[in-house]
Amino acid sequence: KAGVTQTPRYLIKTRGQQVTLSCSPISGHRSVSWYQQTPGQGLQFLFEYFSETQRNKGNFPGRFSGRQFSNSRSEMNVSTLELGDSALYLCASSSLAGGNTDTQYFGPGTRLTVL
Amino acid sequence: AQSVTQLGSHVSVSEGALVLLRCNYSSSVPPYLFWYVQYPNQGLQLLLKYTSAATLVKGINGFEAEFKKSETSFHLTKPSAHMSDAAEYFCAVNIIQGAQKLVFGQGTRLTINP
Repeated sequence: KAGVTQTPRYLIKTRGQQVTLSCSPISGHRSVSWYQQTPGQGLQFLFEYFSETQRNKGNFPGRFSGRQFSNSRSEMNVSTLELGDSALYLCASSSLAGGNTDTQYFGPGTRLTVL
Repeated sequence: AQSVTQLGSHVSVSEGALVLLRCNYSSSVPPYLFWYVQYPNQGLQLLLKYTSAATLVKGINGFEAEFKKSETSFHLTKPSAHMSDAAEYFCAVNIIQGAQKLVFGQGTRLTINP
């Protein structure tokens, strides 16, 4: 089975721009979660989607948004980029067969640099 | 609120020595705990997870962890370190029933000395 894929792997943007990141989950997985990883704040939960609905959201401003499509692929969007948005953005998928004991499988991440 | 604390942001051991990475959790309900490893420029890979079936959990690459409720700990160990174990390790707890929202510790960078 193919793993979680994220595109693009690297992205450079300037302040004020917006960006869209894409995530394709493992085939059959319906839950997709997004995390932000920075040296200062570590790994922080952004949001989770299941069956095209956002089920949970972390403590991030409204500039961060996401969506999930009927094929479970997910995108996240960051508008009006700030320097502090520079981070590794990780996507994870899970099958949700067993609830919150399910394993989340992570993609390689998208490295976003904001100049 | 549920959280995890990893003691020691950096741990250095010699090749062949015991690896011990510490994780303590706080939780008002039975926790579901995970250890992930991250190699440079890669995503996270699951090492092992605790789901209440057994307190001693064996994972990949020779790692294991023991859930100790009395100590609220879930420390990760490996009897003999290998150079390939050099990476960053994260302890995490899934905090919402039926959902996928991991709360991570700050991570421990493991260095292996030859």
